[in-house]
Amino acid sequence: EAQVTQNPRYLITVTGKKLTVTCSQNMNHEYMSWYRQDPGLGLRQIYYSMNVEVTDKGDVPEGYKVSRKEKRNFPLILESPSPNQTSLYFCASSNTGYNEQFFGPGTRLTVL
Amino acid sequence: KQEVTQIPAALSVPEGENLVLNCSFTDSAIYNLQWFRQDPGKGLTSLLLIQSSQREQTSGRLNASLDKSSGRSTLYIAASQPGDSATYLCAVEDNQGGKLIFGQGTELSVKP
Repeated sequence: EAQVTQNPRYLITVTGKKLTVTCSQNMNHEYMSWYRQDPGLGLRQIYYSMNVEVTDKGDVPEGYKVSRKEKRNFPLILESPSPNQTSLYFCASSNTGYNEQFFGPGTRLTVL
Repeated sequence: KQEVTQIPAALSVPEGENLVLNCSFTDSAIYNLQWFRQDPGKGLTSLLLIQSSQREQTSGRLNASLDKSSGRSTLYIAASQPGDSATYLCAVEDNQGGKLIFGQGTELSVKP
């Protein structure tokens, strides 16, 4: 089944403890992206990648890192999480950067 | 800076009604516009994608139009059903590709 998977789905952590949220797609898509969704602010793009080893900042990249070493995976790294990074995170992929995007199920992160 | 606005923020209609959701954007230099559906606690599902050179796209009971020069898109839902209840989001992609800006969404409730 074609899908985008994210792990973990739920995470509660404490300020400053490094964490990684994984994202993987099985559709051989070139493009992958991370978003966060917050009440009243909607969905905002964090980082995106048009292809392996190519990443670019979205609208809200501060406090996040990404890497794209292989086509299927695009992990989101929070080196020193803070409470303002408590949010619902979505990973998405598409065939290129110009096509329909497929979204993962979301990761709900709480930073205490 | 691109801004995307969706009106109304919430809409409640009786089953069977035809309805229109609106999306406006401030910068007409877009590559495409996508409409998504989001069910509570779930990820996004792509409904329709309109390339900047296109005027409309149709899928089943859904029809999306795009007027790039005026910065507007509409999503028309025919013969609405309770199963259509969800939040509908529009997103525009910039000309360089890869960067998506989302509207805040319209929360639709279709009453039996």
